Amino acid sequence: DVKVTQSSRYLVKRTGEKVFLECVQDMDHENMFWYRQDPGLGLRLIYFSYDVKMKEKGDIPEGYSVSREKKERFSLILESASTNQTSMYLCASSAEFSGSSYEQYFGPGTRLTVT
Amino acid sequence: GESVGLHLPTLSVQEGDNSIINCAYSNSASDYFIWYKQESGKGPQFIIDIRSNMDKRQGQRVTVLLNKTVKHLSLQIAATQPGDSAVYFCAVNPRGGTSYGKLTFGQGTILTVHP
Repeated sequence: DVKVTQSSRYLVKRTGEKVFLECVQDMDHENMFWYRQDPGLGLRLIYFSYDVKMKEKGDIPEGYSVSREKKERFSLILESASTNQTSMYLCASSAEFSGSSYEQYFGPGTRLTVT
Repeated sequence: GESVGLHLPTLSVQEGDNSIINCAYSNSASDYFIWYKQESGKGPQFIIDIRSNMDKRQGQRVTVLLNKTVKHLSLQIAATQPGDSAVYFCAVNPRGGTSYGKLTFGQGTILTVHP
């Protein structure tokens, strides 16, 4: 079974703090993704990575950065947390496209509150 | 870019009824479609997927129908059970360029099953 784990289930941070969210997958997947999930907006892609040290912006990258130093680990960084970054953050991974599936495997999510 | 929308944000059914959740997409070149189920406090989990060369695909109690003419996707759940209560998301691979397995998600439909 694919397992995607996220470092925290719940996190409370203060405005202006630097926040690190970590994600680890155990299936040797090439692709990893960070989403945020807000009511009525579905899942929106922040950043993704298709290889170690490679990253690309998603639809809402402003205020975020990422790091992928090892294949199994993908970190999301909030350089200076703001209250509008209060959200559920979901990490996902997927294998290089096999010709039949783009299935992404998700972690349990981190609910971040910025006060 | 791709946009994905759902026709109804909420759906309420009686146990034993069949449920139909609908989804519309905008890019006629999209070639891969997937449905996820998200239970409270968990990350999204794969239900079923379909490629654009198919109109219908069946799983256990679930069927996905794809109508490429009107760019519409539906998920049918047979004999709905209380355990099916969750948020359901459709997602589409936004074809074009180098997608690296990216998915564009709809806003989600909340399915509530009453005993």
